[in-house]
Amino acid sequence: DIQMTQSPSSLSASVGDRVTITCRASQSISNYLNWYQQKPGKAPKLLIYAASSLQSGVPSRFSGSGSGTDFTLTISSLLPEDFATYYCQLSYSTPPYTFGQGTKLEIK
Amino acid sequence: QVQLQQSGPGLVKPSQTLSLTCAISGDSVSSNSAAWNWIRQSPSRGLEWLGRTYYRSKWYNDYAVSVKSRITINPDTSKNQFSLQLNSVTPEDTAVYYCARQNWNRRGAYYYYYMDVWGKGTTVTVSS
Repeated sequence: DIQMTQSPSSLSASVGDRVTITCRASQSISNYLNWYQQKPGKAPKLLIYAASSLQSGVPSRFSGSGSGTDFTLTISSLLPEDFATYYCQLSYSTPPYTFGQGTKLEIK
Repeated sequence: QVQLQQSGPGLVKPSQTLSLTCAISGDSVSSNSAAWNWIRQSPSRGLEWLGRTYYRSKWYNDYAVSVKSRITINPDTSKNQFSLQLNSVTPEDTAVYYCARQNWNRRGAYYYYYMDVWGKGTTVTVSS
């Protein structure tokens, strides 16, 4: 199975900062990659699919890029509500739909 | 607006069966475009996809290898819901369990799948 590895595992940043989170696949997955945001006690929320397509209703400060094995999620200017844990997910048409281990974004 | 409402016990004894239900509103379990998934989350295993059920002229299921011998996901069209059964549970099955709709977006010849609607989660503890 394809493994998804995120880095860093945790990150401290301040409101207004630009933040980038990385996800690496163990083999090429084209652009079959989703990003989710999860806040404590809540279900994950879809942010980006197909590596760079913004889900409806998600603010434009979130963006995704990458193809092949290396992907990034960028938040252009952090707001207080963006402090959460972020996950990447493999999104082929066939399972398994493997998630990365998560990146916890904390307030500095 | 699609919503998923989870129900089921929060405590299950070792070796018994974990049973959860996810009731769908605003969509149909028999949809020809969606798939209905169970995902769990624990500190040790992170987010783990368990399986799905979907209808494409007939019913299909896919299961994760890690639980394939113990899991059943069934649709219930009369109640517009789907269920998870996980047999022979151990404390390692302790987790928050989520149901989720898998939707897709087509770009030319390519289909991109994602979980766009989630239930609120059910904390299940396996303990005697």
